[in-house]
Amino acid sequence: EVELVESGGGLVQPGGSLRLSCAASGFSLSRYWMHWARQAPGKGLVWVSRLNDDGSVATYADSVKGRFTISRDNAKNTLYLQMNNLRAEETAVYYCVSSTSMVKWNIWGRGTLVTVSS
Amino acid sequence: QTVVTQEPSFSVSPGGTVTLTCGLNSGSVSTTYYPNWFQQTPGQAPRTLIYSTNTRSSGVPDRFSGSILGNKAALTITGAQADDESIYYCVLYVGRGIWVFGEGTKVTVL
Repeated sequence: EVELVESGGGLVQPGGSLRLSCAASGFSLSRYWMHWARQAPGKGLVWVSRLNDDGSVATYADSVKGRFTISRDNAKNTLYLQMNNLRAEETAVYYCVSSTSMVKWNIWGRGTLVTVSS
Repeated sequence: QTVVTQEPSFSVSPGGTVTLTCGLNSGSVSTTYYPNWFQQTPGQAPRTLIYSTNTRSSGVPDRFSGSILGNKAALTITGAQADDESIYYCVLYVGRGIWVFGEGTKVTVL
């Protein structure tokens, strides 16, 4: 079965750090560009970051630039999101999404919940 | 700042047709914004319906179609069914590697 599975979410204090992982199964992640998107409770989707297929070009939403880092290990078939200096308003379910070529969004993971609270 | 606009809600009768739109606070949406459309039901992850304006994702029924209508991207549901009741999101590529989601349209089938 083709799927993406996120992990690494949890409770973290404001100003803290967390690293999310997104493991692919049933297909090779190396062929895909990848996104992270998030959704605060009861709110809409927000794009966070994107990484190209070989991991050489990353882009970020202004709200996370300088604090979040997207990366990948194609040998492990896994995408990552390192989140530093987290804020309470970043409490959300974080989804990874594959993209066939640069512009064709494809498979969504089930998401992992990040709660930023003291 | 780029804002992507969607209608907050729509209601459609079973078997009816509804067209949702995805626009910009300034400017027109064209195919070069590569609009993608997603469906999300409560408690579930989103699912990709349409990519690159008008191509259906694998397994998506042909009652869903995408297009450019005037200066906006559009998602049309033809022959709406009860299980189409969901929130629909669009996302646009605004350049320099940046994507922006719309706020979503809640569709009620009744």
